[in-house]
Amino acid sequence: EIVLTQSPATLSLSPGERATLSCRASESVTNYLAWYQQRPGQAPRLLIYDASNRATGIPDRFSGSGSGTDFTLTISSLEPEDFAVYYCQQRYNYFTFGPGTKVDIK
Amino acid sequence: QVQLVESGRGVVQPGRSLRLSCAASGFSFSTHAMHWVRQAPGKGLEWVAVISKDGSNGNNKYYADSVKGRFTISRDNSKNTLYLQMDNLKPDDTAVYYCARDSLHYGIFDYWGQGTLVTVSS
Repeated sequence: EIVLTQSPATLSLSPGERATLSCRASESVTNYLAWYQQRPGQAPRLLIYDASNRATGIPDRFSGSGSGTDFTLTISSLEPEDFAVYYCQQRYNYFTFGPGTKVDIK
Repeated sequence: QVQLVESGRGVVQPGRSLRLSCAASGFSFSTHAMHWVRQAPGKGLEWVAVISKDGSNGNNKYYADSVKGRFTISRDNSKNTLYLQMDNLKPDDTAVYYCARDSLHYGIFDYWGQGTLVTVSS
């Protein structure tokens, strides 16, 4: 099973700041890595697929990068609605999720 | 617009069974694989099962090891509905269960239902 590790567990930032979230895979997943946002009490929402492709309707302040085992989700300038939990997920070998990074208000 | 609506929530005793349903609308259901993903209270996401777009072949259903042999995923394309039959339930199965549509890139969950809570407790 491919294990995904996310860091940091919690990121405390202010609106307008830049957020950088990391996801590391236990083995290469090539570019088969997605990112999801989950707000409290809501279902997850697809943000980025295949490492760097924004899903339909996702603002361009969200961007993804990386390949192989190391990936990054960047939010260029945090809006109030961006404070949430973010999960990475691989589809290279079945499907696994990382434990999540919570972005909260500093 | 794409809509996925789960039903079948409940409280069940360990060892009992429960069937979840997910009604799909707003897209061509028979052209997408479908998944179940769960989330234990206060925890992260765990993929549970996937079924291919036609689901007629047993080789086109896959399960997480944690549910293999106890859960069965199925679909009825004539009713635009996805199912999850859960047998021999355990307390660790307590979670919100989401159905999710697979995008045309296999393994990307592009739309999710609102989830349904299953509690396994005596």
